[in-house]
Amino acid sequence: DTGVSQDPRHKITKRGQNVTFRCDPISEHNRLYWYRQTLGQGPEFLTYFQNEAQLEKSRLLSDRFSAERPKGSFSTLEIQRTEQGDSAMYLCASSRTPQNQPQHFGDGTRLSIL
Amino acid sequence: AQSVTQPDIHITVSEGASLELRCNYSYGATPYLFWYVQSPGQGLQLLLKYFSGDTLVQGIKGFEAEFKRSQSSFNLRKPSVHWSDAAEYFCAVGALESSASKIIFGSGTRLSIRP
Repeated sequence: DTGVSQDPRHKITKRGQNVTFRCDPISEHNRLYWYRQTLGQGPEFLTYFQNEAQLEKSRLLSDRFSAERPKGSFSTLEIQRTEQGDSAMYLCASSRTPQNQPQHFGDGTRLSIL
Repeated sequence: AQSVTQPDIHITVSEGASLELRCNYSYGATPYLFWYVQSPGQGLQLLLKYFSGDTLVQGIKGFEAEFKRSQSSFNLRKPSVHWSDAAEYFCAVGALESSASKIIFGSGTRLSIRP
């Protein structure tokens, strides 16, 4: 069990630029989740995959956000035309089925918009 | 809708003292409950989970939590805290009957340890 890996750990970019984050889940986990966490708050659910299928998306996930998991392994989260309000920690988690299995989190990608 | 309330934003306890962090949830279906801990700049580490059965669950690092359905609570306890326990603690709830797979997190309680 090598844990959930996220890359990069930190990303600083100018407003209006596009950014992409990567998440490598625990290898035997077929579920993968993305969360956003702002300062002083708990993580907020963004989206979830089971294998390669994106099964649920939060209303928080505007049309500037897109997530993929093309082969059911790693996932990417892209934010287009970044805005100041996108500054946050983006956390990835993975789990086995069934759905009451605990989610294991990566260390996150901290995004700062200048 | 599911919700989780952690009424204490920040708690300070002395090293060696006992600890209780409060968590109240709201959900009509049978919940499953978690406590996670987060150190600064890090992801979340699972401390313990409750799905069914014994309402007193043991976790890692000497933590335990008790599920009380009548009070909709899942409070976290530790008999004697260590300086390394200083961190942010999050309670989270999901629902077994729900087709949704997300879990809902509380806003967290920051724990400081007084030497």
